[in-house]
Amino acid sequence: GESVGLHLPTLSVQEGDNSIINCAYSNSASDYFIWYKQESGKGPQFIIDIRSNMDKRQGQRVTVLLNKTVKHLSLQIAATQPGDSAVYFCAEREYGNKLVFGAGTILRVKS
Amino acid sequence: DVKVTQSSRYLVKRTGEKVFLECVQDMDHENMFWYRQDPGLGLRLIYFSYDVKMKEKGDIPEGYSVSREKKERFSLILESASTNQTSMYLCASSLSPLEGHSGANVLTFGAGSRLTVL
Repeated sequence: GESVGLHLPTLSVQEGDNSIINCAYSNSASDYFIWYKQESGKGPQFIIDIRSNMDKRQGQRVTVLLNKTVKHLSLQIAATQPGDSAVYFCAEREYGNKLVFGAGTILRVKS
Repeated sequence: DVKVTQSSRYLVKRTGEKVFLECVQDMDHENMFWYRQDPGLGLRLIYFSYDVKMKEKGDIPEGYSVSREKKERFSLILESASTNQTSMYLCASSLSPLEGHSGANVLTFGAGSRLTVL
């Protein structure tokens, strides 16, 4: 999920396939992480979260994996659907109530 | 079922104008936030507030101010709009964090206000 200049990384997947969206976070002291989904014309919506004392958490069709050794977070979407097309952001809680967001990854689902 | 409402979806203003962006939440959240969103830069925090009449600077407060006179309302003010403030502005709210309650940090966002400064 690293951004290059003003261009967001884009992941294109076939409908029905699994998607994996990656995020590298910056602060090894961050203790809480969230994934958000932003559809065109809407604000970001909460998908799933994970605390730093866990390495995996599952939701409905989504799984978040946390690797603190390499400061890496991933979001896995099973059986990707056209409605999953959106920009996905990871966010880390560095301290207090402050969240720091990544630049985002575009997910495009091909039918 | 709208929980965070931003009153203006699209605004076009001229350089030097004073701009008000209004945000209201109906979830009785203590915390409210203003972010701006630009391509490739993600969401950057401008200001936030933990309580009525309280405000704290975020990462990019220059050129902005805020007002929190009531718990449900958080306003972002551009005293003298400039072209580099053309952006999508997102308001969000959350509960105060409770010990061991990580879910309190989940932000609920509004739909955004797209501001163009000419």
